[in-house]
Amino acid sequence: SQQGEEDPQALSIQEGENATMNCSYKTSINNLQWYRQNSGRGLVHLILIRSNEREKHSGRLRVTLDTSKKSSSLLITASRAADTASYFCATDYRGGGNKLTFGTGTQLKVEL
Amino acid sequence: DAGVIQSPRHEVTEMGQEVTLRCKPISGHNSLFWYRQTMMRGLELLIYFNNNVPIDDSGMPEDRFSAKMPNASFSTLKIQPSEPRDSAVYFCASSIPGQGVTGELFFGEGSRLTVL
Repeated sequence: SQQGEEDPQALSIQEGENATMNCSYKTSINNLQWYRQNSGRGLVHLILIRSNEREKHSGRLRVTLDTSKKSSSLLITASRAADTASYFCATDYRGGGNKLTFGTGTQLKVEL
Repeated sequence: DAGVIQSPRHEVTEMGQEVTLRCKPISGHNSLFWYRQTMMRGLELLIYFNNNVPIDDSGMPEDRFSAKMPNASFSTLKIQPSEPRDSAVYFCASSIPGQGVTGELFFGEGSRLTVL
């Protein structure tokens, strides 16, 4: 299976703390994307990082990509209770066609 | 703007019955994807279409599953006959395809299927 692995599977932090989630994948990619899913809802795109990029920012989100280690991380700074959700990485594998393969996800809980 | 619209949101049916899930992609999006989400297997890609043509259906579990896209604004995923192990949340997503790369996917809210 091409499915990526994410760790941790679950993360519980206090409001105001930073949350870091990691994603590992298996083969060369065109890009890697991060999505968020609130309970009972569809996935929402957060950020896309291309294979030739090493870091990208969007608001309180920071994504890094290390293609030599085939890994990516998502950092959420100054977390809020509203950030409670599941977070997924998704990879666009080179030569894999026009599709995304999703990782197993990290469940983040931000407590007041 | 309207997002991806899926129906029904919830479906409860009995084993052996036919189930049809529907999806309306975002206007102007040429790629459409059907995913299935379960606790055990996570998010699995079942099939995707480019310009209404099925490109990759290798994720369709078995012949009981079929998907169609008769036009750019409508797609169906059919399960006949349904089995309890088909219970899952089925998501439809659409995107604007890039040149050999996959861009951002826009997901619907999903159809939660329970087969008794």
